[in-house]
Amino acid sequence: ETGVTQSPTHLIKTRGQQVTLRCSSQSGHNTVSWYQQALGQGPQFIFQYYREEENGRGNFPPRFSGLQFPNYSSELNVNALELDDSALYLCASSYGFNSPLHFGNGTRLTVT
Amino acid sequence: GESVGLHLPTLSVQEGDNSIINCAYSNSASDYFIWYKQESGKGPQFIIDIRSNMDKRQGQRVTVLLNKTVKHLSLQIAATQPGDSAVYFCAEKYPGANSKLTFGKGITLSVRP
Repeated sequence: ETGVTQSPTHLIKTRGQQVTLRCSSQSGHNTVSWYQQALGQGPQFIFQYYREEENGRGNFPPRFSGLQFPNYSSELNVNALELDDSALYLCASSYGFNSPLHFGNGTRLTVT
Repeated sequence: GESVGLHLPTLSVQEGDNSIINCAYSNSASDYFIWYKQESGKGPQFIIDIRSNMDKRQGQRVTVLLNKTVKHLSLQIAATQPGDSAVYFCAEKYPGANSKLTFGKGITLSVRP
């Protein structure tokens, strides 16, 4: 069974740029969620995708957007990067809404 | 507002002892709770979960206790090992939130050899 995989593992961007992060869900999982984890904090929910549609969103601005593909892989896009966007971005997948989320190891984004 | 918090930022235990990590949650409507373990450089790893219709659930070396009266959750680790050293998070989910979990800030467990 393949777990959740994310790419890249690390990324450095400049303020104002755009970034795309990628995630492959765990085999058999049809729901994907993205979380932002600042240093020393717990993960914060960004949004969730189910059947290729956004199905719940946290308190993040519209410049955070995403996609889920037919094979249940997913992308997180962030436009107009700000310094405060520097964080670990975690992807998590599950089968439906009532099973545990399984997380990938994240992408460490640094905005300079 | 809604929050999930942990009582202590760090916990140091002797190898072989039992560990107890406590968590308070504020949303009385939450019906699902999870404990995660996060090691340095890795994502959160699922440990154990419990639904609000249960008070206790046991796994391998771990037990989760839920006290809905005082909105308290605890994770007990038996015979703590050096490999248990990590940051532990409790998380809650309320009905209708789909897969959205609300996490606390985390507590660091340090195991002394």
